[in-house]
Amino acid sequence: EVQLVESGGGLVQPGGSLRLSCAASGFTFSSYWMHWVRQAPGKGLVWVSRIRSDGSTTNYADSVKGRFTISRDNAKNTLYLQMNSLRVEDTAAYYCARAATGAPNANDYWGQGTLVTVSS
Amino acid sequence: QSVLTQAPSASGTPGQRVTISCSGSSSNIGSNTVNWYQQLPGTAPKLLIYINNQRPSGVPDRFSGSKSGTSASLAISGLQSEDEADYYCAAWDDSLNGVVFGGGTKLTVL
Repeated sequence: EVQLVESGGGLVQPGGSLRLSCAASGFTFSSYWMHWVRQAPGKGLVWVSRIRSDGSTTNYADSVKGRFTISRDNAKNTLYLQMNSLRVEDTAAYYCARAATGAPNANDYWGQGTLVTVSS
Repeated sequence: QSVLTQAPSASGTPGQRVTISCSGSSSNIGSNTVNWYQQLPGTAPKLLIYINNQRPSGVPDRFSGSKSGTSASLAISGLQSEDEADYYCAAWDDSLNGVVFGGGTKLTVL
């Protein structure tokens, strides 16, 4: 069974940093693109970043470029999102999601999400 | 302001057929495939349709997707109460070099 479990969320002050993790199991993690998608309370889905299966390619939404870094450790079956210079508007539930086979931008499995709150 | 445009709400009665539309541009829907997600209250999104009209295993054939030019549509036939959810379209955008989502359509089953 495919499972994605996010962790690392919490309360942080503006300008602070946080690192999110996503532990993957039930599939060959090293063969799949992975994404981060966020959702502010009561709002819609917003794509954050993606990383190729081997880590060689990464893409970011303009709103997080230069502040967030996506990475992965295929030996540990874990996806990461390093978030620096956090802003109040980064407050959201952050989901990690696997890309479907043959469709690198379609997410067929999602974690339960981890909540990040940026507030003073 | 979302790059892909969806109506904020839609409604239908049980058994009815409803359509949810998603409008984009040449840099996203016009040149890339469209995916649709369903999000039930308090849960993570679920992939409903990918590559314009493909259904993942386990998704009922009541759900169908189509694309024409810079617009896409999700159709739900034989509407059921459990279909009450938020629906999002998404596509890769060549100009932004990222995935863009629609703002979501909240479907109410009357």
